[in-house]
Amino acid sequence: DIQMTQSPSSLSASVGDRVSITCRAGQSIISYLNWYQQKPGEAPQLLIYAASSLHSGVPSRFSGSGSGTDFTLTINSLQPEDFATYFCQQSYSVPFTFGPGTKVDI
Amino acid sequence: VQLQESGPGLLRPSQTLSLTCTVSGGSINSGEFYWTWIRQPAGKGLEWIGRMYSSGSTDYNPSLNNRVSISADTSTNQFSLKLRYVTAADTAVYYCARECRISGCYGRADYWGQGNLVTVSS
Repeated sequence: DIQMTQSPSSLSASVGDRVSITCRAGQSIISYLNWYQQKPGEAPQLLIYAASSLHSGVPSRFSGSGSGTDFTLTINSLQPEDFATYFCQQSYSVPFTFGPGTKVDI
Repeated sequence: VQLQESGPGLLRPSQTLSLTCTVSGGSINSGEFYWTWIRQPAGKGLEWIGRMYSSGSTDYNPSLNNRVSISADTSTNQFSLKLRYVTAADTAVYYCARECRISGCYGRADYWGQGNLVTVSS
């Protein structure tokens, strides 16, 4: 299985801040990297797929970058509704695996 | 597209977990998608369980030690998860999801059910 790590595990930020979350894969996954947002009591929601493609309906303040083993999710101008937990997922090889998550709070 | 899980919320150890996902607004016969199960223990991360394709082909997570099977009922546009010999470690929220199968979006899970909490306890 491909191991996924994320850093930081949690961060505190303020509305309007720019936030970056890093995801690292245990081997090259080319660009098969997805990002999800999850709020308490809800299912995860897709934000970014293929490392940098914005999913339909997702605000443009979210962006993704990276390839190979190192990836970044950036949120420009953090909004109140962005306080949540963010997961990366590799879809290079089954079983698909997720990072442990990064909790973004105030 | 909407997905909705259904099934019992409480199981005893060694029983078989059976969950059904009803898909509306799209056909599970579509060649563009896999139909997937993912679980999440309370307060923890996400674990990919497995997926099926309309042809009947499946992929499973080896960590589940051959206890899992996923199948479909195309007449009702549903797909199902069975997990045998459950233990307390299988207690989690179980999600069904639609997963892209085609190049350019391969592996992304763009639609999810709301989740079904399954507790295993004696």
